[in-house]
Amino acid sequence: QKEVEQDPGPLSVPEGAIVSLNCTYSNSAFQYFMWYRQYSRKGPELLMYTYSSGNKEDGRFTAQVDKSSKYISLFIRDSQPSDSATYLCAMRVVGNTPLVFGKGTRLSVIA
Amino acid sequence: GAGVSQSPSNKVTEKGKDVELRCDPISGHTALYWYRQSLGQGLEFLIYFQGNSAPDKSGLPSDRFSAERTGGSVSTLTIQRTQQEDSAVYLCASSLPQGRGNQPQHFGDGTRLSIL
Repeated sequence: QKEVEQDPGPLSVPEGAIVSLNCTYSNSAFQYFMWYRQYSRKGPELLMYTYSSGNKEDGRFTAQVDKSSKYISLFIRDSQPSDSATYLCAMRVVGNTPLVFGKGTRLSVIA
Repeated sequence: GAGVSQSPSNKVTEKGKDVELRCDPISGHTALYWYRQSLGQGLEFLIYFQGNSAPDKSGLPSDRFSAERTGGSVSTLTIQRTQQEDSAVYLCASSLPQGRGNQPQHFGDGTRLSIL
């Protein structure tokens, strides 16, 4: 079992839909949880970051962490064609450690 | 620009050749990471530098891979005797020291390496 599992999709939704992206993980020591967005032929860019359990909202984006279930989610409201990209979850333990990534979910928002 | 810069953006080489990939981190970022992104595999950690500490090499897949960071800034990832399975996008990221909080890692656009 990989440390972080993420459905690769692809996921196709109409413009304006609510999108739900999810990851599960096995390492209970993970404390920092991040979502990156990656456009084609570009590097990942940080969208959201959450420490431990809870919710965080930023505009149309909401990140949720449920440590008891080892499950994290990213919700995108009022999705736009410009949201079409690959979304990567990432997480790490406390301290100077690298990120552990999911495989990424490819999202297409159709106008 | 002020972002992480990687060069070359694309590299095509023959199997068995050595390649060098360069990363220029954001000024003032003492932490530098190399990741590899293969088709369908997500990002895989390779090596991590933090200031003057010994690098964390735990992610390097074989002894054909090595990296150095000169003067605490620019880093070079070297792959010797390349194999076809080395074909991937090699991404570099930098951040401020992690310390007690979470410092976000900023990524370059990567080097797309193709081994013929």
